Amino acid sequence: EVQLVESGGGLVQPGGSLRLSCEASGFAFSTYWMNWVRQAPGKGLEWVANIKPDGSQKSYVDSVKGRFIISRDNARNSLYLQMDSLRAEDTAVYYCARGGFFDWWGQGTLVTVSS
Amino acid sequence: DVVMTQSPLSLSVTLGQPASISCRSSQSLVHSDGKIYLNWFQQRPGQSPRRLIYKVSNRDFGVPDRFSGSGSDTEFTLKISRVETEDVGVYYCMQSSHWPPYTFGQGTKLEIK
Repeated sequence: EVQLVESGGGLVQPGGSLRLSCEASGFAFSTYWMNWVRQAPGKGLEWVANIKPDGSQKSYVDSVKGRFIISRDNARNSLYLQMDSLRAEDTAVYYCARGGFFDWWGQGTLVTVSS
Repeated sequence: DVVMTQSPLSLSVTLGQPASISCRSSQSLVHSDGKIYLNWFQQRPGQSPRRLIYKVSNRDFGVPDRFSGSGSDTEFTLKISRVETEDVGVYYCMQSSHWPPYTFGQGTKLEIK
């Protein structure tokens, strides 16, 4: 069974950093594009970033460019999101989602940016 | 960026009655390979999103056949033939034809009347 389990969320002050992780199981992780998608409290879904299976290509939504870095470790079946210079508007539940068709999602991890 | 616009933003439906959600894109979603990458997701209260439909009209495994997707170019529709209690939640369309970025509609909240 496909499983995606996010972790690493929490409360951080504006300007701070946080690293999210997504551990994958039940499928050949190293062959899939992977994504991060976020959802601010009471709001809709926003795609954040994605990464190619071998890690050689990454894309970001404009609002996080230069502040967030997506990466992966295929040996550990894990996806990461390094978030720096965090702002209040980054407060959201962050989901990892599989592939270009977003066919599997994790349960999400909550990031709260507040002083 | 492709803007996805859903309507209505909220829907109140009697059990057993049909429901329809519209999704419009700001440009054609026909990919260079000739296919259209338009997906529908359901998010039940307190849960993660779940994909229901991919490439306009293909139902995911385990999705009841009362859900159907249709459309072409810039106009798409998700239909529920007979609404059940478990269908309560928010529905999102999303395009993956022209990225980055992938873009979602605002969401349509479905409730039971």
